[in-house]
Amino acid sequence: GAVVSQHPSRVICKSGTSVKIECRSLDFQATTMFWYRQFPKQSLMLMATSNEGSKATYEQGVEKDKFLINHASLTLSTLTVTSAHPEDSSFYICSAKTGGGTNTEAFFGQGTRLTVV
Amino acid sequence: AQTVTQSQPEMSVQEAETVTLSCTYDTSESDYYLFWYKQPPSRQMILVIRQEAYKQQNATENRFSVNFQKAAKSFSLKISDSQLGDAAMYFCANIQGAQKLVFGQGTRLTINP
Repeated sequence: GAVVSQHPSRVICKSGTSVKIECRSLDFQATTMFWYRQFPKQSLMLMATSNEGSKATYEQGVEKDKFLINHASLTLSTLTVTSAHPEDSSFYICSAKTGGGTNTEAFFGQGTRLTVV
Repeated sequence: AQTVTQSQPEMSVQEAETVTLSCTYDTSESDYYLFWYKQPPSRQMILVIRQEAYKQQNATENRFSVNFQKAAKSFSLKISDSQLGDAAMYFCANIQGAQKLVFGQGTRLTINP
């Protein structure tokens, strides 16, 4: 299967600072990328969907000014958690698809564990 | 809103035995895909199997098979000859709006040696 690389795998930041997480499709062009958040022992909650070259579509309840998503190229999407607070500590996962449609498989990054202290 | 429900938070099975994980879903779309993903302790999401709604035949992948009941909106996963490496969280998922994957709550599967 296709490879999606997410970096960093772990990050610790101080409260009030911003942190950027990168999601790269290594061997395919990802027209659509998704960002999920996963709390301990819970399911993946979709935060936003981003299409290359356009603004991300955020799910209800997700603060777009806090979670900035940029999908500037067909192989890279970034999630920036701005002014992070301890409640933002979580596991963030990205996934990427090669195209639209329900039959296109989504490939997942290995996730980023964010700890805000 | 479209939903995916997994009613079994935890399941356990003896090694080499068979276990079935349940999933129900709700969708207004006529053509859609359903998936089972595995999340081992590494937390890497791994696609186990997928089912196309317009296909009546149940999907199979080696020891993994599904029982897809479209009218009942049920999509269970059967794991045969369970192995220790099958221990993980299993998530049922449905493609929503032609793009978004909506996940169930997950079932933690334990394999007893």
